[in-house]
Amino acid sequence: EVQLVESGGGLVQPGRSLRLSCAASGFTFDHSAMHWVRQAPGKGLEWVSGISWNSASIGYADSVKGRFTVSRDNAKNSLYLQMNSLRPEDTAFYYCAKAVGFMYYFDYWGHGTLVTVSS
Amino acid sequence: QSALTQPASVSGSPGQSITISCTGTSSDVGGYNYVSWYQHHPGKAPKLVIYDVSNRPSGVPDRFSGSKSGSTASLTISGLQAEDEADYYCSSYTSNSKGVFGGGTKVTVL
Repeated sequence: EVQLVESGGGLVQPGRSLRLSCAASGFTFDHSAMHWVRQAPGKGLEWVSGISWNSASIGYADSVKGRFTVSRDNAKNSLYLQMNSLRPEDTAFYYCAKAVGFMYYFDYWGHGTLVTVSS
Repeated sequence: QSALTQPASVSGSPGQSITISCTGTSSDVGGYNYVSWYQHHPGKAPKLVIYDVSNRPSGVPDRFSGSKSGSTASLTISGLQAEDEADYYCSSYTSNSKGVFGGGTKVTVL
């Protein structure tokens, strides 16, 4: 059974940093592209970032480029999102998702972790 | 990358059919047969219900179907059931390799 479990969310002040993790199991992690998608309160889904199986291809939404860094550790079956210079508008549930191809579609999702940016 | 355009809400009675549209451009929906749809119940993980425009993953009921014409994709739910009440999002592969989703459609079963 495929499982994606996010962790690392919490309350953080504007301008500070936070690192999210996603622990994967039940599939061949090092053969799969992985992505972060977020949902702000009352809003829709927003793609945040994606990384190919070998970390050779990485992409970011314009809203987070230069502030967020995606990475993965295939030996640990884990995906990460380093979030720096956080803003109140980054407040959202953050989901990790397994992709088919680099980003043809997302076939499995985690339950999400909540990040709240507030003073 | 602008979000794909979906209606904010659609409703129907049990047993009826509803259709949700998803309009993009030639750089996303119109340019590729990689449109997908996701069902999202609040507090739960989003679930893939359609991929590659019209394919259903294993375990998704056949009352869910997808299609595309030009730059507009559609998700149809036939024989609407109470458990289908959720938010639905379309997504498409894009020419700039950045992800894009629709704004979401709230489906209400009357």
